[in-house]
Amino acid sequence: GAVVSQHPSWVICKSGTSVKIECRSLDFQATTMFWYRQFPKQSLMLMATSNEGSKATYEQGVEKDKFLINHASLTLSTLTVTSAHPEDSSFYICSASTVNSNQPQHFGDGTRLSIL
Amino acid sequence: AQSVSQHNHHVILSEAASLELGCNYSYGGTVNLFWYVQYPGQHLQLLLKYFSGDPLVKGIKGFEAEFIKSKFSFNLRKPSVQWSDTAEYFCAVTGSGAGSYQLTFGKGTKLSVIP
Repeated sequence: GAVVSQHPSWVICKSGTSVKIECRSLDFQATTMFWYRQFPKQSLMLMATSNEGSKATYEQGVEKDKFLINHASLTLSTLTVTSAHPEDSSFYICSASTVNSNQPQHFGDGTRLSIL
Repeated sequence: AQSVSQHNHHVILSEAASLELGCNYSYGGTVNLFWYVQYPGQHLQLLLKYFSGDPLVKGIKGFEAEFIKSKFSFNLRKPSVQWSDTAEYFCAVTGSGAGSYQLTFGKGTKLSVIP
């Protein structure tokens, strides 16, 4: 089946640093990748949608200058949390799809981000 | 805006008991519906999906779900659960039109199966 690899799985860093999370589709070309955020005991909330070669579309309330998304190829998207602060601590999950609405998204394992 | 409501936060069952997890959605149009499962320490995996046709959908591992359009529901069922079904289950919806492929998730239902 389709595999999405997300790296790193867990990162702990000091407040003020920037953290980059990678999302790779290993055996298919992902026209579209999605980035979600999940707080404890809550649902996955879509942060942004990125299409290969174009700017990401951010959901309302998500700071695009804070959460930089790059989707430079059909197999790789990155999320960079810039100048991270403790309130950015969360579980970040990417998914990838060949996109059309009938294609299920395939999810990465998620990245647990802890900002001290 | 679309939304998904899962009624139960945590369900505890004994092995061999029957399971039904509720899911209701709100969306102003034709929908595609999904159930995902997340086993402890693993990524989200697709259990089953409904796009069109027979409203009773069969998925992996003996799960099924029924789409009832009049009730805006897509409940997940399994006749007899096993300890290995312990996981968190998420209902999700997308629109079925072009460009409407963003998944909206419910808050999830944690299922604990006691041996």
